Amino acid sequence: DGGITQSPKYLFRKEGQNVTLSCEQNLNHDAMYWYRQDPGQGLRLIYYSQIVNDFQKGDIAEGYSVSREKKESFPLTVTSAQKNPTAFYLCASSQEPTEPKNIQYFGAGTRLSVL
Amino acid sequence: AQKVTQAQTEISVVEKEDVTLDCVYETRDTTYYLFWYKQPPSGELVFLIRRNSFDEQNEISGRYSWNFQKSTSSFNFTITASQVVDSAVYFCALSEALGSQGNLIFGKGTKLSVKP
Repeated sequence: DGGITQSPKYLFRKEGQNVTLSCEQNLNHDAMYWYRQDPGQGLRLIYYSQIVNDFQKGDIAEGYSVSREKKESFPLTVTSAQKNPTAFYLCASSQEPTEPKNIQYFGAGTRLSVL
Repeated sequence: AQKVTQAQTEISVVEKEDVTLDCVYETRDTTYYLFWYKQPPSGELVFLIRRNSFDEQNEISGRYSWNFQKSTSSFNFTITASQVVDSAVYFCALSEALGSQGNLIFGKGTKLSVKP
């Protein structure tokens, strides 16, 4: 089945630790996105990538890093510089990255908590 | 300035009631798109509808209908004869033609609880 797979579903981070969230898509989409969702809040864009080997900061990129070495993969690293990482993280992809009519399709999310 | 406002934080209805979720947006673009997504308890956002700024026709899909009014900058979503399976958080989103690079601006969502 075509879709977006995020892993793990739940992740725990210790103080000072970097953790990496995985996002893989087999939809052959050019663009991929990472969002953060906090309780009662909308989705806030962390990073996005419109093409392999290129990515752009979103609204809340501080304390996060990404890479896009393959079209189907867009991992997100939550670094120790992110002081409040507890949140639900959603990955998305889309076929028409620069078009406003762009529909984004989402994975099932990773819930990150701090120990 | 918040560009997408969903003023209803939570709504609770009894099964078979009709319910309308409000969405008000703000943009200076003449070309833009509006979206609704559903987030069930499982967490994944599910795309429901996309509407462009030049098409003000209302749309109906089964028990779902959408009312787009440019005069009031609103794109409201109505569920007729609600069911327990409709319980979810619903997000309205905006995509502008200028400078957005296809990115979505989300409202904060409305949590709908449908009780049996």
